[in-house]
Amino acid sequence: GNSVTQMEGPVTLSEEAFLTINCTYTATGYPSLFWYVQYPGEGLQLLLKATKADDKGSNKGFEATYRKETTSFHLEKGSVQVSDSAVYFCALREWGTYKYIFGTGTRLKVLA
Amino acid sequence: DVKVTQSSRYLVKRTGEKVFLECVQDMDHENMFWYRQDPGLGLRLIYFSYDVKMKEKGDIPEGYSVSREKKERFSLILESASTNQTSMYLCASSLPTGGEETQYFGPGTRLLVL
Repeated sequence: GNSVTQMEGPVTLSEEAFLTINCTYTATGYPSLFWYVQYPGEGLQLLLKATKADDKGSNKGFEATYRKETTSFHLEKGSVQVSDSAVYFCALREWGTYKYIFGTGTRLKVLA
Repeated sequence: DVKVTQSSRYLVKRTGEKVFLECVQDMDHENMFWYRQDPGLGLRLIYFSYDVKMKEKGDIPEGYSVSREKKERFSLILESASTNQTSMYLCASSLPTGGEETQYFGPGTRLLVL
């Protein structure tokens, strides 16, 4: 079946460091890909998305490119801030269905 | 601004109690979802509804039921709460398949069953 695998955390970085959180997927057809962020005590918020191969999603300095050849959707940010501390979830929406598959989440902690 | 609200942020219940978790969305979305979130397991789908009075089981429906009497409201029911149902419960909504695909989440209900 379809699945999403993301790197285990926690990831601890200093402010202004470069961030990469790896995400790979297994899916049939043409899934849409998402990154969601969850701040402490809150629900998930959409961070960015890409709906087809080679699309780049971007928001708030975060970027991810839909790579069909490597089945990946890695999240990157050039310079993280303390306020980016949160849990990040990679997800896919199965092609032609309602169903979403989520990764297990990666906790990011940014130190001042 | 899109909004999904959940009736409680925190709940404490006793084993065997019947528990109702309610979710309301104001975006006129057809699809609504209930997930539970547990450390190391990510989000797991409990139930899905694609229209009023329509529902489908997700990956872990055992011990749960749902009700959707109105388009904007989707309730999760724990018929007889057990300690292994202690978890964070997240409600979400989206447009139907083929539409804009983002899921919008509520703030979550943290349930403790004693």
